[in-house]
Amino acid sequence: KQEVTQIPAALSVPEGENLVLNCSFTDSAIYNLQWFRQDPGKGLTSLLLIQSSQREQTSGRLNASLDKSSGRSTLYIAASQPGDSATYLCAVTSWTGTASKLTFGTGTRLQVTL
Amino acid sequence: DGGITQSPKYLFRKEGQNVTLSCEQNLNHDAMYWYRQDPGQGLRLIYYSQIVNDFQKGDIAEGYSVSREKKESFPLTVTSAQKNPTAFYLCASSAVRERRGNTIYFGEGSWLTVV
Repeated sequence: KQEVTQIPAALSVPEGENLVLNCSFTDSAIYNLQWFRQDPGKGLTSLLLIQSSQREQTSGRLNASLDKSSGRSTLYIAASQPGDSATYLCAVTSWTGTASKLTFGTGTRLQVTL
Repeated sequence: DGGITQSPKYLFRKEGQNVTLSCEQNLNHDAMYWYRQDPGQGLRLIYYSQIVNDFQKGDIAEGYSVSREKKESFPLTVTSAQKNPTAFYLCASSAVRERRGNTIYFGEGSWLTVV
């Protein structure tokens, strides 16, 4: 059974710092990995999707890497801003035999302070 | 605007009542999903549907029911059999059911509280 872990559970950094969020998964037979952002009381917004054949994806100040063999992904946020404060979740897609299935981590709650 | 609309945003249910959460998408997506989110836990899959008139149980389907009569709509009923229904419910959709998977899009969620 696929399990996804995110460490740390919470993180507080001053504005302007670069930071890394971590995601690990137990079964390396994945098709892709996605990073999401969730604001309090809101739905999830997809940030980046990395296919299993890719090593990284970039969008603006965000860079996500994937090491499928070791079961790890990192989300790098450059020059953090207070508006980046949110919970960040990663999810991996696996094939169940009949359908794709996403397994989510529990998230890292990020606070960027002035 | 294209997207996923969930309603209501907040819902209160009395013990023993069934309630239905609405989910509508205008993204022309084949696949739709219902997730439950509890504090400190990741999202857990309740039901999913790959095509109209077909759906499958997820990891925590007990006490829930769904229907998929139209491509755009995937309502979730929380029945009185669900022992701990207070949670945040998220509906999602994705384009096709390729093995590679596609970006999944979420609605804004519905808060259900049992009173």
